[in-house]
Amino acid sequence: DAGVTQSPTHLIKTRGQQVTLRCSPKSGHDTVSWYQQALGQGPQFIFQYYEEEERQRGNFPDRFSGHQFPNYSSELNVNALLLGDSALYLCASSHSHLEVWQYFGPGTRLTVT
Amino acid sequence: KNEVEQSPQNLTAQEGEFITINCSYSVGISALHWLQQHPGGGIVSLFMLSSGKKKHGRLIATINIQEKHSSLHITASHPRDSAVYICAVRSGSGGGADGLTFGKGTHLIIQP
Repeated sequence: DAGVTQSPTHLIKTRGQQVTLRCSPKSGHDTVSWYQQALGQGPQFIFQYYEEEERQRGNFPDRFSGHQFPNYSSELNVNALLLGDSALYLCASSHSHLEVWQYFGPGTRLTVT
Repeated sequence: KNEVEQSPQNLTAQEGEFITINCSYSVGISALHWLQQHPGGGIVSLFMLSSGKKKHGRLIATINIQEKHSSLHITASHPRDSAVYICAVRSGSGGGADGLTFGKGTHLIIQP
C-alpha cells in the first residue's frame, strides 16, 4: 500500500502565476482534505472533497480551488499566487466522510518569489 | 471556531526523560488527534481520542473532556522521538470527517 502520495515535492513559482498540486489518497479511501502549513505554524484546513464535490471549506479565498476525480485523487489549484501562499501543502485522506482518522501525505513545498 | 493551544512550544530534554506535551481547546469536540511531524513535513497520526486514555509503545495519550484538555506523554524518551508534535481537534457533535483545527505544535528535541 503506497499510502497518500503528493506531487510535486517542491515547487517554485512567481507571484501572479497559477499552480496545481496533486494528491492520490491511500488505497480504499474516498475523502481527501487539503491543508496549508506556513513555516512555524500548525496546518490550516483549506477544503475537503468527497464524491467529487467540495464538502466543506475553511477560511480561504476563492483563489484556492480544487477538484476530485472519479478515482478519488484530487487537485488543489491556486490562482494569482501571493508571496504569502508560500507554505507546505498537505493532503490527507480518509475512508468516507464519516471516518475522522486521516492519513497524511508528505506534502508539497511551494515557494512563491 | 475552536482555538487549540499547545504547551510548551519548545522542549529540549535528555534521553530517558519522561516527556509531557499539553493541549487545550476552547469548545466541545468529537475527536482529538495527536500527530507527529518530522523535518521535511511528513505527518504521522499517532492517536485519535474521544475519551479516556490510549497507549502505543512508549506513547500515552489522555483526554479530559470536561476540562477540554489532552496530554501526550513519552516515556523513556529517545533522540528519534525528536519531532514536532501537533494536537488537532474535530469540532461538532459527530458524523462527518470535518476539517481539523490544529495547534501550532510543540518542537521536541531529545539530546543523547
